[in-house]
Amino acid sequence: QVQLVESGGGVVQPGRSLRLSCVASGFTFTSYAMHWVRQTPGKGLEWVAIMSFDGSTEYYADSVKGRFTVSRDNSKNTLYLQMNSLRPEDTAFYYCARAAGCSSANCRAWFDPWGQGTLVTVSS
Amino acid sequence: EIVLTQSPGTLSLSPGERATLSCRASQSVSSGYLAWYQQKPGQAPRLLIYGASSRAAGIPDRFSGSGSGTDFTLTISRLEPEDFAVYYCQQYGRSPPWTFGQGTKVEIK
Repeated sequence: QVQLVESGGGVVQPGRSLRLSCVASGFTFTSYAMHWVRQTPGKGLEWVAIMSFDGSTEYYADSVKGRFTVSRDNSKNTLYLQMNSLRPEDTAFYYCARAAGCSSANCRAWFDPWGQGTLVTVSS
Repeated sequence: EIVLTQSPGTLSLSPGERATLSCRASQSVSSGYLAWYQQKPGQAPRLLIYGASSRAAGIPDRFSGSGSGTDFTLTISRLEPEDFAVYYCQQYGRSPPWTFGQGTKVEIK
């Protein structure tokens, strides 16, 4: 079945870095754009980044632009999120999600499915 | 950026009752590019509705979506015990950024 599994979360001090991974299975990873979304109790769901099927196009939320970098390794069916200069307000559950029926970073598509999420806590 | 406002924040209902959830957009959502998700505690969001009114695979027909422009509605015709959860709307017509509403919690009365 279609599955996304995130990993790499943990507790990190402000200003430090962390890299999240999302391993996909059950579908042709190379045919889909992929998203990162985060969720905090206070701010709800917030879209973070998208990468096109071939890694050629990426977009970021203003809140993470210049600090976070999305990438993918299609040979490993894996999506990554490199998070640098972390701040306490980056504390959240981070989910990866597939852009339904869509390979481009510009297409209009809902998110389906979502992974189970990984928790990132930024605290000293 | 399109801002989505959901109401009410919390809906207290009994099993068997009808639930009506609202999602209002700050600008018109072109071509009904609006989705609804259900989230239960400790779980990821699950797609219910896309294209404002199309049910996702495996979603029971007691869930229905409607609306256009700036006003959208998710209706659960008869609440089952497993339907008590938080529901989010999302627009994907003008993106990036993709934006979500703040959620409506459907709780047992």
